[in-house]
Amino acid sequence: AQRVTQPEKLLSVFKGAPVELKCNYSYSGSPELFWYVQYSRQRLQLLLRHISRESIKGFTADLNKGETSFHLKKPFAQEEDSAMYYCALSGSSGTYKYIFGTGTRLKVLA
Amino acid sequence: NAGVTQTPKFQVLKTGQSMTLQCAQDMNHNSMYWYRQDPGMGLRLIYYSASEGTTDKGEVPNGYNVSRLNKREFSLRLESAAPSQTSVYFCASSEDWGFVNEKLFFGSGTQLSVL
Repeated sequence: AQRVTQPEKLLSVFKGAPVELKCNYSYSGSPELFWYVQYSRQRLQLLLRHISRESIKGFTADLNKGETSFHLKKPFAQEEDSAMYYCALSGSSGTYKYIFGTGTRLKVLA
Repeated sequence: NAGVTQTPKFQVLKTGQSMTLQCAQDMNHNSMYWYRQDPGMGLRLIYYSASEGTTDKGEVPNGYNVSRLNKREFSLRLESAAPSQTSVYFCASSEDWGFVNEKLFFGSGTQLSVL
């Protein structure tokens, strides 16, 4: 089955602590992986995608094809990072798919 | 540019009532989507329109209909609302359907409650 799994519904960390939001996927092919973020009272927006190999707002994500994971990391969390984070994949193996995970709410505590 | 605009932002319906959610984008995108967001379920695709004049079912199409009115507009209709359709609805658009590197642009959402 093709799916994206985010095992944590809620992740609370203290300001300045490292953050890792987990994402695992199941897909028969070579998908593209994304992280989307939804800040309070804002619309869902792209944070980063694997193909761009970029770091946005201090976040990075490494694709591990062996473990089929695309975890989102930041070395020092800030209060403004508090938001809902969605991992997503797209792929064209068979029927084109754009699948989202169930989301992880990150709370950064002062 | 406004990006993706959805109306209304909030709506309360009684079971059996009908309504249409409106969505428009001003980015000249070919593809448009309707998702619903439920706690613990994430975002699930209801319908999509790969290009003007085409629409297709997504993961959870039952109880909904869509219309791609023109390249800019993509509406979602609930013919007979049910409590199970209580959700937050998001419209999104992208340049083209089927490219794995596609970035989706989302509207601000519609919070719908069906009593």
